[in-house]
Amino acid sequence: DIQMTQSPSSVSASVGDRVTITCRASQDISSWLAWYQQKPGKAPKLLIYAASSLQSGVPSRFSGSGSGTDFTLTISSLQPEDFAAYYCQQANSFPLTFGGGTKVEIK
Amino acid sequence: QVQLQQWGAGLLKPSETLSLTCAVFGGSFSAYYWNWIRQPPGKGLEWIGEINHGGSTKYNPSLKSRVTISVDTSKKQVSLKLSSVTAADTAVYYCARGSGSGNYRGVLDYWGQGTLVTVSS
Repeated sequence: DIQMTQSPSSVSASVGDRVTITCRASQDISSWLAWYQQKPGKAPKLLIYAASSLQSGVPSRFSGSGSGTDFTLTISSLQPEDFAAYYCQQANSFPLTFGGGTKVEIK
Repeated sequence: QVQLQQWGAGLLKPSETLSLTCAVFGGSFSAYYWNWIRQPPGKGLEWIGEINHGGSTKYNPSLKSRVTISVDTSKKQVSLKLSSVTAADTAVYYCARGSGSGNYRGVLDYWGQGTLVTVSS
């Protein structure tokens, strides 16, 4: 199985801050990486697929980059509705695997 | 607008079989893969398996011996069965759509609302 490692596990930030979350795969996954946002009590929501493609309807302050084993999710200017947990997931091979998550909290 | 609605028993005893169903409303059913994912309380996400309209499945090896995913194309429904449950299977279970073909089937673009299943004696 491909192991996905996210860092940090949590981050405290203020509205307007730039936030970057990192995800590392245990082997080359090309660009087959997705990012999800999850709010308490809700299902995950797809933000980014193929490492850098923005899902329809997702604000442009979210962006993704990377290929191979190292990926980042950036929120350019944090908004109140962005306080949530974020997960990366590899779609290169089965079983699909997720990172452990990053919780973005209010400073 | 695609919607996934899921249901099933929320409280099980150890050794019983978990059974959940997910109905798909809107969009094509046969063009996509349908997945089950679970999330223990306060923890991360674990992929359980997928199925297509023809009944072709892939399972997570960690659960493969206990999992069965099936499909009813006439009703646009997929079902999950997990046998011999223990407290470690306590989780919110989600169904989700794989967004396309090839590797895109591993990108999960629509999710059900989730069902909390608790295993307790």
